[in-house]
Amino acid sequence: DGGITQSPKYLFRKEGQNVTLSCEQNLNHDAMYWYRQDPGQGLRLIYYSQIVNDFQKGDIAEGYSVSREKKESFPLTVTSAQKNPTAFYLCASSPRLAGVAGGELFFGEGSRLTVL
Amino acid sequence: GQSLEQPSEVTAVEGAIVQINCTYQTSGFYGLSWYQQHDGGAPTFLSYNALDGLEETGRFSSFLSRSDSYGYLLLQELQMKDSASYFCASTDSWGKFQFGAGTQVVVTP
Repeated sequence: DGGITQSPKYLFRKEGQNVTLSCEQNLNHDAMYWYRQDPGQGLRLIYYSQIVNDFQKGDIAEGYSVSREKKESFPLTVTSAQKNPTAFYLCASSPRLAGVAGGELFFGEGSRLTVL
Repeated sequence: GQSLEQPSEVTAVEGAIVQINCTYQTSGFYGLSWYQQHDGGAPTFLSYNALDGLEETGRFSSFLSRSDSYGYLLLQELQMKDSASYFCASTDSWGKFQFGAGTQVVVTP
C-alpha cells in the first residue's frame, strides 16, 4: 500500500544527544515536509523540500537539520542545540505543485520524542 | 509574516451544524485546505479551496473568499465521532503549507 512511514513511533533521548527521525514515502511525491506539534497546539513547519537535493527552512528550523538525497526519504535530525525538543513530529508529502493538484498533504503516523 | 486565525473551541450537540472560521495572511496565497485530527493521531485531509465559493464533500463543506482572506469549514449533521481538532492550512505559490492553531470541536449527546 502507498503511504508514508515514520520511525520510530516513540523515542526517548537524553539531553545533549542528537536523534534522527526517519520518514519514507512510496507515493512518488516530489515534496516532503516536517512539522512539530506541541500539546494542544497547531502544526509548525520545521523544514520542507520540493525536490531532491534541495530544502528550505520553515518557521522553527533552529536546532534541526534535514537531508534529501533520495526522493523517497527525508530524515530529520534533532540536534542538541534544540532547547525544547520534546514534541510530536509529523512528516508529510505532496505532489510538487500541491496547490494545483488538490491541496492535499499526506501525513505519516508521527514520531513522539521525549527528552529525559 | 504569515498567520492563520481560527477559534480555539466550539461545542455543539449531535445533529447540529458547526461553522469553523479561518482568516489568513499568506504571501503568494494559492489555496486553503482543512484537516481533521483525532487525539494522538495524524491529520487527515478534508477539503480544499483554490477558488472562491463552496466545495461540498458529504457532510463537510468548505468555503473561500479570496478578497476577504477568509474561509470556513461547515460540519453538518454532527456525530460523536466528529469530536476532534480541525485545522485550516494555507498553501502558497511555492508549495509551502502553513497551519492554524486548530479548533477543538466537542460534540455532546
